[in-house]
Amino acid sequence: GDSVTQMEGPVTLSEEAFLTINCTYTATGYPSLFWYVQYPGEGLQLLLKATKADDKGSNKGFEATYRKETTSFHLEKGSVQVSDSAVYFCALSDENTNAGKSTFGDGTTLTVKP
Amino acid sequence: NAGVTQTPKFQVLKTGQSMTLQCAQDMNHEYMSWYRQDPGMGLRLIHYSVGAGITDQGEVPNGYNVSRSTTEDFPLRLLSAAPSQTSVYFCASSYRPFDEQFFGPGTRLTVL
Repeated sequence: GDSVTQMEGPVTLSEEAFLTINCTYTATGYPSLFWYVQYPGEGLQLLLKATKADDKGSNKGFEATYRKETTSFHLEKGSVQVSDSAVYFCALSDENTNAGKSTFGDGTTLTVKP
Repeated sequence: NAGVTQTPKFQVLKTGQSMTLQCAQDMNHEYMSWYRQDPGMGLRLIHYSVGAGITDQGEVPNGYNVSRSTTEDFPLRLLSAAPSQTSVYFCASSYRPFDEQFFGPGTRLTVL
């Protein structure tokens, strides 16, 4: 079945540092890939997405590229801020399931210190 | 546009009690799902629905029931609460089957 493996956390960085959170996936079909962010006490919200190979999703300075050859979708940001402190989830939705449900990684907690 | 709403926000139950977690969306989404979130385990799918009258089991369905009588509402019922069901529960919806999901704010449930 489908699965998502995320870089284990937690991750602690200083403000303005470079961020990478690794994500690899296994899927039977051609999935859409997502990064969601969860701030304390809130639900998940979409950060960015990519729907086909070589697509790059970007939002709020975050980027991730859909790499079919390495089955990866790593999240990057060039300069993190304290306000980026949150839990980040990589997820996929497989078109073969046709069911509107997603498979999630375990989440990576990011703490950014001033 | 309220998006996805969930009630209650917090709930404490005793072992053996039953309750219903409410979820509603006003975006006319056909696809809805229930997840539970436990520390270090990401989100696990409990039940999902592809439209009114159609539901199916996810990864961890035991102890939970769902029904979908309207497009807007997708309640989750705990039949006989157990401490293992202590968790944060999220409802989500999407417009198409492989689109991004919109999440509610969650219900934090404690079973004593």
